[in-house]
Amino acid sequence: AQKITQTQPGMFVQEKEAVTLDCTYDTSDPSYGLFWYKQPSSGEMIFLIYQGSYDQQNATEGRYSLNFQKARKSANLVISASQLGDSAMYFCATRDDKIIFGKGTRLHILP
Amino acid sequence: DTGVSQDPRHKITKRGQNVTFRCDPISEHNRLYWYRQTLGQGPEFLTYFQNEAQLEKSRLLSDRFSAERPKGSFSTLEIQRTEQGDSAMYLCASSEPSGQGLDTIYFGEGSWLTVV
Repeated sequence: AQKITQTQPGMFVQEKEAVTLDCTYDTSDPSYGLFWYKQPSSGEMIFLIYQGSYDQQNATEGRYSLNFQKARKSANLVISASQLGDSAMYFCATRDDKIIFGKGTRLHILP
Repeated sequence: DTGVSQDPRHKITKRGQNVTFRCDPISEHNRLYWYRQTLGQGPEFLTYFQNEAQLEKSRLLSDRFSAERPKGSFSTLEIQRTEQGDSAMYLCASSEPSGQGLDTIYFGEGSWLTVV
């Protein structure tokens, strides 16, 4: 069975600073994908970034990058130059036929 | 709007009543998923369909829960004899068929259920 672990229940970060959200995963599949989603207080799940297990380079999408360390089974999300609008819940996830989520990290950006 | 849509967005019901939620997936997506999310937790998988076939059901989906996707397009999730523990947000998601399991899943805005 696949499992996602997010060990940071909450984080407070000063605006404009970079922030790293931790994620470790456990899977026996040789091919897998890792995702990060953002969930603001409105409730919608917003797809941020995806990393395939065979991708040679770390994924980047604008201010988001995924620090993928396969040997350590970690897929940390890095948000550069944080903004007030980044305050939200962030979920790391993996997928076989369905997405399996971690418990999430609540990020607070301070002005 | 061509995203996943859910209806109703909010529902307050008395304990013991039945409720039904509807999900319209992205039109070209043939996989449809239902999740449940309680406050402060990550979404928990309930069930998913490929076209009209229900391929997997979580043990979280008790006998009071039933999901259908009769024509392989929209889906409904019905909860019978609601209990206070059913209060949660019910999320629907859709994706294209999974080639190597790597296609992105897109979520709707969720349906909030409060059982009083």
